[in-house]
Amino acid sequence: DSGVTQTPKHLITATGQRVTLRCSPRSGDLSVYWYQQSLDQGLQFLIQYYNGEERAKGNILERFSAQQFPDLHSELNLSSLELGDSALYFCASSVTGYGTEAFFGQGTRLTVV
Amino acid sequence: AQSVTQPDIHITVSEGASLELRCNYSYGATPYLFWYVQSPGQGLQLLLKYFSGDTLVQGIKGFEAEFKRSQSSFNLRKPSVHWSDAAEYFCAVCGEYGNKLVFGAGTILRVKS
Repeated sequence: DSGVTQTPKHLITATGQRVTLRCSPRSGDLSVYWYQQSLDQGLQFLIQYYNGEERAKGNILERFSAQQFPDLHSELNLSSLELGDSALYFCASSVTGYGTEAFFGQGTRLTVV
Repeated sequence: AQSVTQPDIHITVSEGASLELRCNYSYGATPYLFWYVQSPGQGLQLLLKYFSGDTLVQGIKGFEAEFKRSQSSFNLRKPSVHWSDAAEYFCAVCGEYGNKLVFGAGTILRVKS
């Protein structure tokens, strides 16, 4: 158990819908990262937050957004879902945002039908 | 831009045999390098990491990796593979500011008895 908690574990939704994925980082970790793992794109970095502020942005679509709350949990919002958004979404956390090991959660499996 | 190449998509080894998974990276400065393992339906578990210092690093589960700057490689090794090592292995390099991870495509390890 990495200490990073992601909910829900599985999510099935229809095209055009909006979903929210939740991540609770390890106790004491200030940085949260979101990654997408899909068959065609592999593991791709989406976005990073550090102590409530956006720190780095990767290949995140405009339909996707994220935030980190004062209690340091984070949410990834995916809207206007398309079939191609079906993927495993990972959250990771680390103490700092620089060159330290990231502990990954178990992921949320999103299926868009 | 940083990139990671894992040349082998699948590798099959016999239980008890030695293992080497290849990883080549492209990064302009001193890289931070990682190996993660993902078992089916599971999250990513950190096996080992290289930041600096001794180029041979030891990890969990009996794995080790050697950083070779001249070859831009960070190959993962294990002297004797166990059936429980069957999983997908990802090599990753830390991004420009040492935060986001850039992953390779992964190598699926099969262990035959």
